[in-house]
Amino acid sequence: AQSVTQPDIHITVSEGASLELRCNYSYGATPYLFWYVQSPGQGLQLLLKYFSGDTLVQGIKGFEAEFKRSQSSFNLRKPSVHWSDAAEYFCVNLSNDYKLSFGAGTTVTVRA
Amino acid sequence: GAGVSQSPSNKVTEKGKDVELRCDPISGHTALYWYRQSLGQGLEFLIYFQGNSAPDKSGLPSDRFSAERTGGSVSTLTIQRTQQEDSAVYLCASSLSFSGGLDTQYFGPGTRLTVL
Repeated sequence: AQSVTQPDIHITVSEGASLELRCNYSYGATPYLFWYVQSPGQGLQLLLKYFSGDTLVQGIKGFEAEFKRSQSSFNLRKPSVHWSDAAEYFCVNLSNDYKLSFGAGTTVTVRA
Repeated sequence: GAGVSQSPSNKVTEKGKDVELRCDPISGHTALYWYRQSLGQGLEFLIYFQGNSAPDKSGLPSDRFSAERTGGSVSTLTIQRTQQEDSAVYLCASSLSFSGGLDTQYFGPGTRLTVL
């Protein structure tokens, strides 16, 4: 079955520093991949998605992700984090039976 | 416009009681989804609706769980004879259409269920 793995449970980053969150997927063909963010007290929000085409995807809030088939990865990046980026981030893929399958999540802490 | 709303926001119940969780999707959204978020299992898909129909109920954890949607709008998730392992946050999402799951899903704030 398709699944995504987020190797990092928790990341701490300084405000203004760059951020990269890792996601590896297991799948034979091109998967459908998403990144969602869950901020404290707020619902899940879609940051970006990749279905096909350009492998560098731009999302909201200054985030981008790059699909790398050779590495089975879909890492999320942001050049300069803000304190408001402290949240839990989920890498998600769409399975063959049309269901979103969520990774375990990575919690990001931003220090001043 | 209004987003997805869920009620109640918090529910505490005793083991063995039945509970109903409600979801109001974004107006005009034909697809609706239920998820469960718990410490042990992470975020898991439960069921989805296209209109009032739920084509696949295999994600429901047991036969104590059921869901319905009426009028292509409001949905209720019912848990009968609640158990402590049912304690979790239940999330609802909706999308404009189903599109094989590719349409952007908009999530509600969730209902936190605690079974004592």
